[in-house]
Amino acid sequence: EAQVTQNPRYLITVTGKKLTVTCSQNMNHEYMSWYRQDPGLGLRQIYYSMNVEVTDKGDVPEGYKVSRKEKRNFPLILESPSPNQTSLYFCASNSGQGGIVNEQFFGPGTRLTVL
Amino acid sequence: AQSVTQLDSQVPVFEEAPVELRCNYSSSVSVYLFWYVQYPNQGLQLLLKYLSGSTLVKGINGFEAEFNKSQTSFHLRKPSVHISDTAEYFCAVKGAGSYQLTFGKGTKLSVIP
Repeated sequence: EAQVTQNPRYLITVTGKKLTVTCSQNMNHEYMSWYRQDPGLGLRQIYYSMNVEVTDKGDVPEGYKVSRKEKRNFPLILESPSPNQTSLYFCASNSGQGGIVNEQFFGPGTRLTVL
Repeated sequence: AQSVTQLDSQVPVFEEAPVELRCNYSSSVSVYLFWYVQYPNQGLQLLLKYLSGSTLVKGINGFEAEFNKSQTSFHLRKPSVHISDTAEYFCAVKGAGSYQLTFGKGTKLSVIP
């Protein structure tokens, strides 16, 4: 089954404790992306990757890091989480060189709480 | 730069009534447009998309949308809603040549029995 998986689905942590949210897709997609969803703000893009070793900032990259060492994986790293990073995070992937013309598949989401 | 405005944050509607969810976009280049739906406690699912060609686009679950270039709009419609349509709906835009998909803030559709 074609899918995007994220782990963990729920995470409660404390300020400053480094964490990684994993994202994996089994569709051989070139393009992957991370979003955060906050009430009343919709989805905002954090980072995206056009292919292995190629990443770029989205609209809200501060406080986040990403890496793309393999085509299927795109982890999101919070080196020093803060309470304002409490949010619902979605990973997404799609095929198609040159942009997102094809359907973007979303993972199930990771609900992060930073105390 | 590109942006999306969803004009209504919440839309209540009675079951079997028609509904229109409004979306306006801004872009300096040609665009691709999408509507996604998010059911409670779930991820996002593509409803429909406009890439080119016919301006009336039909999607899943009986939804359709019309691309209006002169009014820079992409409103979503359904002639008769069901309780199961209760969800949050997101309009999204991608400019030609851009890698970024920009989402609106969402419209919560509540279908009243």
